[in-house]
Amino acid sequence: KQEVTQIPAALSVPEGENLVLNCSFTDSAIYNLQWFRQDPGKGLTSLLLIQSSQREQTSGRLNASLDKSSGRSTLYIAASQPGDSATYLCAVNNQGGKLIFGQGTELSVKP
Amino acid sequence: EPEVTQTPSHQVTQMGQEVILRCVPISNHLYFYWYRQILGQKVEFLVSFYNNEISEKSEIFDDQFSVERPDGSNFTLKIRSTKLEDSAMYFCASQWEAGELFFGEGSRLTVL
Repeated sequence: KQEVTQIPAALSVPEGENLVLNCSFTDSAIYNLQWFRQDPGKGLTSLLLIQSSQREQTSGRLNASLDKSSGRSTLYIAASQPGDSATYLCAVNNQGGKLIFGQGTELSVKP
Repeated sequence: EPEVTQTPSHQVTQMGQEVILRCVPISNHLYFYWYRQILGQKVEFLVSFYNNEISEKSEIFDDQFSVERPDGSNFTLKIRSTKLEDSAMYFCASQWEAGELFFGEGSRLTVL
């Protein structure tokens, strides 16, 4: 059974710092992995999708990497801003569109 | 930019009542999903729907739940007789092919 874990559970950084969020999964036979952002009481905004054959994806200040064999993904945020404050969710797709989510990392960027 | 829309944004209901949550997926998408998030917990898969039938469902999705795509645009989740533990945020998602899932803003269900 696929399990997805995200560490740390919460992170507080000053504005401008580069930071890394971690995601690990137990079953490496994944189809793809998706990172989401969730603001309090809101929906899930897709940030990046990495297919199982890919090593990384970039969008603006975000870079996500995938190491399938070790069951790990990281989300790198460059030059963090207060507007980046949110919960970041990692979700693994083993088949079809059934995503298995981690519990998220709650990020706070202080001005 | 196309988006998934959900209504209502918040519904309060009495235990035992029927609830219907509505979703309008992105128009050319083929796969549709319902997920839920109980406060403070992980987002959980409920059901997937393709070609007018359920393709997969979780253990949570028991006989009290049903889904329907009645008119080619709306995608609904019905809970026949709500329980206190059904209180959660329910998210609809849609997908074109085997790629990115796009989620709606969610419908918060409160069962009293």
